[in-house]
Amino acid sequence: GAVVSQHPSRVICKSGTSVKIECRSLDFQATTMFWYRQFPKQSLMLMATSNEGSKATYEQGVEKDKFLINHASLTLSTLTVTSAHPEDSSFYICSAGKTSTGELFFGEGSRLTVL
Amino acid sequence: EDQVTQSPEALRLQEGESSSLNCSYTVSGLRGLFWYRQDPGKGPEFLFTLYSAGEEKEKERLKATLTKKESFLHITAPKPEDSATYLCAVQANQAGTALIFGKGTTLSVSS
Repeated sequence: GAVVSQHPSRVICKSGTSVKIECRSLDFQATTMFWYRQFPKQSLMLMATSNEGSKATYEQGVEKDKFLINHASLTLSTLTVTSAHPEDSSFYICSAGKTSTGELFFGEGSRLTVL
Repeated sequence: EDQVTQSPEALRLQEGESSSLNCSYTVSGLRGLFWYRQDPGKGPEFLFTLYSAGEEKEKERLKATLTKKESFLHITAPKPEDSATYLCAVQANQAGTALIFGKGTTLSVSS
């Protein structure tokens, strides 16, 4: 079964509104989670590294004020797309790793469509 | 610059026709190489992690191998349900635990 859960799986919003996506590790604690973005037929591009109890680390070119990341607990990270625009429409995927096994698991992804 | 290149971009096979997918990488210190399967509209599903050259791992009809420059995902006697996009990713020492992905190989198996 899934070990990393994302919600919602699909969201449609109007331009200018904000959308929050949740990522939960279900049966393990994750001090670090990662947020990726994937355009159709493209690779997963790392957006940011989410650290529990501290600020997220953003990749070059990713606006931290637009993509707010909060890692409130060892099992939950959230990504908020603020003032969304149509060009923010994409597939957002989170991942978390089990330190004990070295496995990195991904959520089911969240399809964001901004009208 | 750390980079992952997968080939071919797309592969069409008949059921039972074995083949291999390639993942070439350049990375400043390899911590691990990962293979994932991704179905349309879904997140990647973990398949294998390889850590050192010469290592091999198997799962059902899939076998992953690793050299110092590339990894192969061998698929033996594939079935239609093996149709998916297969993603290769590397974990570099300097990048911490974030993964760098290739663009994937989309495999289609017809009966």
